[in-house]
Amino acid sequence: QVQLQESGPGLLKPSGTLSLTCTMSGGSMNISKWWTWIRQSPGKGLEWIGAIYHTGDTEYNPSLKSRVTLSVDKSKNEFSLKMTSVTAADTAVYYCARTAMANRRYFDYWGQGTLVTVSS
Amino acid sequence: IVLIQSPATLSVSPGERATLSCRASQSVSSNLAWYQQRPGQAPRLLIYSSSTRAAGIPARFSGSVSGTEFTLTISSLQSEDFAVYYCQQYNTWPPLTFGGGTKVEIK
Repeated sequence: QVQLQESGPGLLKPSGTLSLTCTMSGGSMNISKWWTWIRQSPGKGLEWIGAIYHTGDTEYNPSLKSRVTLSVDKSKNEFSLKMTSVTAADTAVYYCARTAMANRRYFDYWGQGTLVTVSS
Repeated sequence: IVLIQSPATLSVSPGERATLSCRASQSVSSNLAWYQQRPGQAPRLLIYSSSTRAAGIPARFSGSVSGTEFTLTISSLQSEDFAVYYCQQYNTWPPLTFGGGTKVEIK
């Protein structure tokens, strides 16, 4: 059974850099899936941030692309999110998730989510 | 692609039928999924390809499509079904997009 677990600091100061890691267990990352980050602002809906393939190919939400970098470390079964110049608007629960297939980009496995608060 | 879900809140009595709508701003073919999110939990995949139930999802959940209008029907609401439901299109990216959600609450 695939499991995903997010980790990283829960509190950041404005203008700082958000860094989160998702650790995958119960499977291999070297398969035809996109490893994805999604966030949910308090009381709001879901926003897709971006995704990375096991080859290192990436796709980003155009609205966040200038501030976001995704990376993958298959040897550790981990993928990571970096977001620069954060503001209070970036306060959200951040989820990692996996697409069902490379060309069927809905999400069959999700992490439990981690709350990141941006505050001075 | 913008997905508009309606209504924002649906009040339903246990055992009754719930019908949720998701309208796409342009064609997404059948590439639409539905998720259920209970308070404090991650979303859970219910339906993909507009009408295919994910593994372990009860038969009371069904999906359909007519053009760019997608419908999620819960035939007889159980207590555990009171939650927020999101649709997501995966026909065109980036970006992948979600609807704003429909909250199903107890009447």
